[in-house]
Amino acid sequence: AQSVTQLGSHVSVSEGALVLLRCNYSSSVPPYLFWYVQYPNQGLQLLLKYTTGATLVKGINGFEAEFKKSETSFHLTKPSAHMSDAAEYFCAVSYGSGNTGKLIFGQGTTLQVKP
Amino acid sequence: NAGVMQNPRHLVRRRGQEARLRCSPMKGHSHVYWYRQLPEEGLKFMVYLQKENIIDESGMPKERFSAEFPKEGPSILRIQQVVRGDSAAYFCASSPPPQQGVTEAFFGQGTRLTVV
Repeated sequence: AQSVTQLGSHVSVSEGALVLLRCNYSSSVPPYLFWYVQYPNQGLQLLLKYTTGATLVKGINGFEAEFKKSETSFHLTKPSAHMSDAAEYFCAVSYGSGNTGKLIFGQGTTLQVKP
Repeated sequence: NAGVMQNPRHLVRRRGQEARLRCSPMKGHSHVYWYRQLPEEGLKFMVYLQKENIIDESGMPKERFSAEFPKEGPSILRIQQVVRGDSAAYFCASSPPPQQGVTEAFFGQGTRLTVV
């Protein structure tokens, strides 16, 4: 069975500091992995995704994530946090190939950025 | 190209009433997914539909919940005889038909249901 675990429900960083949000997955098949961001009272916006190929994936707003099969991880990073990055972040895994609308989400990590 | 449109954005229902949530997918998208987000939790898959067909309803509660995606018009998630525990944000996502390669689902802004 597939599952997603996000370590740390709340992460606080100072503006300009490194952002690291952790995500581990379990999957019996090669996974497709996603990071979404949700701003208050808004829907989900795709930050980046890993399907196949290069394991370091770059997304929008300066975020990137690295797929590490040996560690079953897909951690999200950003070198320098901005106040506008404060939001909730969800890691998700897709059940199968092709159609990626059916997703398993982690519990989410709330990112706080301090001035 | 408008995004996934959900309405209403906010819905208040008294216990025992019916709630109808609508989702219009992006143009060209024939697949619709509904998710529920309870307070302080992640999103949980409910149901996956194509036009006039329910493909996967493994996440739907057994009672009171139903979904449809007719040939014409939006997808509807219906909750009958709502209870306080149904209070949540309900999100719809849509994607194009699976083809070679990997499709991507786009999410709407959600409907926040409050049962009083």
